[in-house]
Amino acid sequence: DSGVTQTPKHLITATGQRVTLRCSPRSGDLSVYWYQQSLDQGLQFLIQYYNGEERAKGNILERFSAQQFPDLHSELNLSSLELGDSALYFCASSVGRLFTDTQYFGPGTRLTVL
Amino acid sequence: DAKTTQPPSMDCAEGRAANLPCNHSTISGNEYVYWYRQIHSQGPQYIIHGLKNNETNEMASLIITEDRKSSTLILPHATLRDTAVYYCIVRVPRTQGGSEKLVFGKGTKLTVNP
Repeated sequence: DSGVTQTPKHLITATGQRVTLRCSPRSGDLSVYWYQQSLDQGLQFLIQYYNGEERAKGNILERFSAQQFPDLHSELNLSSLELGDSALYFCASSVGRLFTDTQYFGPGTRLTVL
Repeated sequence: DAKTTQPPSMDCAEGRAANLPCNHSTISGNEYVYWYRQIHSQGPQYIIHGLKNNETNEMASLIITEDRKSSTLILPHATLRDTAVYYCIVRVPRTQGGSEKLVFGKGTKLTVNP
């Protein structure tokens, strides 16, 4: 158990819909990272927040957005969903702001878009 | 925009050196190359990074060509536990008012055979 929690574990929705994924970092960690893992694209980094501010961006689509709240939990919002958005979405946390800091991963949310 | 290209898979014999190539021909002068690996759906693990010079640590060596358009990650004596997906990443430093950008390749699945 990494100490990072993600909800929900599974999500099934239809194309065109909007969903919100939630992540609670380990106690004391200030950075939250979001990743997308699919069979054809492998692991893709989406975005990092550090202490409430956006720190780094990856290949995050404009239909996707994220934020980190004052209590340091984070939400990833996915809108206008497409079939290709079906994937496992991981959240990770770390103490510091550097990408090379050890990241602790949550169990992931499996999103299925039908 | 920075982009990385990696072969989808490679095989290596246990005890031999594994040489994993990455092409980043559009890299700019201040953009770092990072290597991470993901072992069987665990979180990514940091391996090494560099800018211009070759780098070595306890895990691996990173060879960056003089024109910086490609690099090679070398695992000098591969073991079965090195079987993983290896990601080559270009880090684009933050611009004024912006955030860093991390560009992941699609990864190379390295299989170390006994």
